[in-house]
Amino acid sequence: DTGVSQDPRHKITKRGQNVTFRCDPISEHNRLYWYRQTLGQGPEFLTYFQNEAQLEKSRLLSDRFSAERPKGSFSTLEIQRTEQGDSAMYLCASSLRSGYTFGSGTRLTVV
Amino acid sequence: AQKVTQAQTEISVVEKEDVTLDCVYETRDTTYYLFWYKQPPSGELVFLIRRNSFDEQNEISGRYSWNFQKSTSSFNFTITASQVVDSAVYFCALSENFYPSEQGGSEKLVFGKGTKLTVNP
Repeated sequence: DTGVSQDPRHKITKRGQNVTFRCDPISEHNRLYWYRQTLGQGPEFLTYFQNEAQLEKSRLLSDRFSAERPKGSFSTLEIQRTEQGDSAMYLCASSLRSGYTFGSGTRLTVV
Repeated sequence: AQKVTQAQTEISVVEKEDVTLDCVYETRDTTYYLFWYKQPPSGELVFLIRRNSFDEQNEISGRYSWNFQKSTSSFNFTITASQVVDSAVYFCALSENFYPSEQGGSEKLVFGKGTKLTVNP
């Protein structure tokens, strides 16, 4: 499979719990992005990695959010003390030079 | 700040009709890229086209065509002879560069709110 994989596809969690999502990019892609998409809206940029370095973070990424990309391969996005406003689709994308390939996303529901 | 406006929230057509999805953008950059993505109910964003701001030539790919007009800051998307499988949410997006390309530059995409297209049989 040469696509971008995200796990899990769906996650339901209680408010206040921590959640972690995983993204496996296309293997030769050195750039990795996280976006968040709420209902009825377009995706919004969260953060960007080039290899293992996190080079850009959006103001949307509060202190409760943290992303890592150890060894420049897969990436994780953790949300601590989830709130109902965190309910959204979290999309990962990767690229080599230009042009993104998006994964299918992780849909988070906070109850 | 960069902005993408898709004024049409929802469009409904009957199969075989032609349909145009509008996209208007705002940017101060002289070099930028414009994109269209399709998001079917499965949720995955499917890349359709990437257009450089210096290339105003219209493009046709099968039943899809794109009309880029820099003078009006528009990048409209037309589906000819629509089919039920075209039903999806379509997003227009504009790139914003992080760094120059010689520093391993990359792009952040600014998306519009999307247009939901329903093609009825």
